[in-house]
Amino acid sequence: DAGITQSPRHKVTETGTPVTLRCHQTENHRYMYWYRQDPGHGLRLIHYSYGVKDTDKGEVSDGYSVSRSKTEDFLLTLESATSSQTSVYFCAISESGGGISNQPQHFGDGTRLSIL
Amino acid sequence: GESVGLHLPTLSVQEGDNSIINCAYSNSASDYFIWYKQESGKGPQFIIDIRSNMDKRQGQRVTVLLNKTVKHLSLQIAATQPGDSAVYFCAENIGGYSTLTFGKGTMLLVSP
Repeated sequence: DAGITQSPRHKVTETGTPVTLRCHQTENHRYMYWYRQDPGHGLRLIHYSYGVKDTDKGEVSDGYSVSRSKTEDFLLTLESATSSQTSVYFCAISESGGGISNQPQHFGDGTRLSIL
Repeated sequence: GESVGLHLPTLSVQEGDNSIINCAYSNSASDYFIWYKQESGKGPQFIIDIRSNMDKRQGQRVTVLLNKTVKHLSLQIAATQPGDSAVYFCAENIGGYSTLTFGKGTMLLVSP
């Protein structure tokens, strides 16, 4: 299994509170991704990083921010959580992002976040 | 909480049968494709990938077929086992981009 650890694995919080999810990798991969997974929508990209301090928005980035201060850690922050952000959040890593050297993304086991 | 598997198309097979899971993609510029397996409560697990310069690739008990003419991808699982029961996703990468687009998935149910 790819060395990816997500924390916490489960969290329940209240609307309006800030929440930070952590993804830690031991593979030294350049690319890291945050997704959310909801019934009927599949996996949707929130933000991704292509290097330390280099990030870009995905399909559903509103209400989320990210930071990557070192290769191994990628943080996802919900500044003021809303009930619509209740979801399962997955982190993924990849050696390369595209082009002729495509490599697959490998996923962590997710964080189940409930916002009441 | 609600399972990701609800509302998905479902394929039900008997143990020992061969299974075929299909996926249509929409972007003709996609040049890399991946199949993932997701078991309940876990993250997607890489199964097999294929690049657009190939039309078939085989792994252990799995084969991926790519038909670029009709933009169709399939995953064949030989001698399906109860442990193969899961949701299966295809994903595509558009050439030059660093991200994947995922299909919504198919649930495979294997009866002993």
